Amino acid sequence: AQSVTQPDIHITVSEGASLELRCNYSYGATPYLFWYVQSPGQGLQLLLKYFSGDTLVQGIKGFEAEFKRSQSSFNLRKPSVHWSDAAEYFCAVGSTGTASKLTFGTGTRLQVTL
Amino acid sequence: NAGVTQTPKFQVLKTGQSMTLQCAQDMNHEYMSWYRQDPGMGLRLIHYSVGAGITDQGEVPNGYNVSRSTTEDFPLRLLSAAPSQTSVYFCASSWTDQTYEQYFGPGTRLTVT
Repeated sequence: AQSVTQPDIHITVSEGASLELRCNYSYGATPYLFWYVQSPGQGLQLLLKYFSGDTLVQGIKGFEAEFKRSQSSFNLRKPSVHWSDAAEYFCAVGSTGTASKLTFGTGTRLQVTL
Repeated sequence: NAGVTQTPKFQVLKTGQSMTLQCAQDMNHEYMSWYRQDPGMGLRLIHYSVGAGITDQGEVPNGYNVSRSTTEDFPLRLLSAAPSQTSVYFCASSWTDQTYEQYFGPGTRLTVT
């Protein structure tokens, strides 16, 4: 069965600093990978997705992620964090045959200090 | 477009009561799904539907029923609520089950006492 691990439960960064959120997946074939963001009291919004091609994918709000098959990772990065990026971030993998059927990681809560 | 809407936003139930969480989308999406979100566990798939009249179980279906009589609506029924069903419930939709972007509703926070 597929699974997603986000090893960092909570991360604090200063505004303007760079950010990397870790995501490792377990899946038997080429995965469909996603990053979602959830602001407090809100639903989830898609930041970016990977399903084939270039392993570095660009998303909204200045985020990017790199797919590394050898490390089974799909880490999310941002070169300069803004206070409005404070939220919870979820990595997810889509199922074989049903890409929309997602398995989520447990999430990483990002706090941004001014 | 209103996108994906969910009602109610908050609900408190007593153990054994039944209720229906409503989900509707106005984007003519074929695929709809229900997730529950619990602290430290991320989101887990309860049930999903690939089109009107077609539903299937996800990872944690026990205690929940669904039906899909129209493209727009995908209600989630709790037949006999239990404290273990205290959670935040999210409905999501996408064009098809092969589409990669899902649109999430704002969620329903359910407490079962």
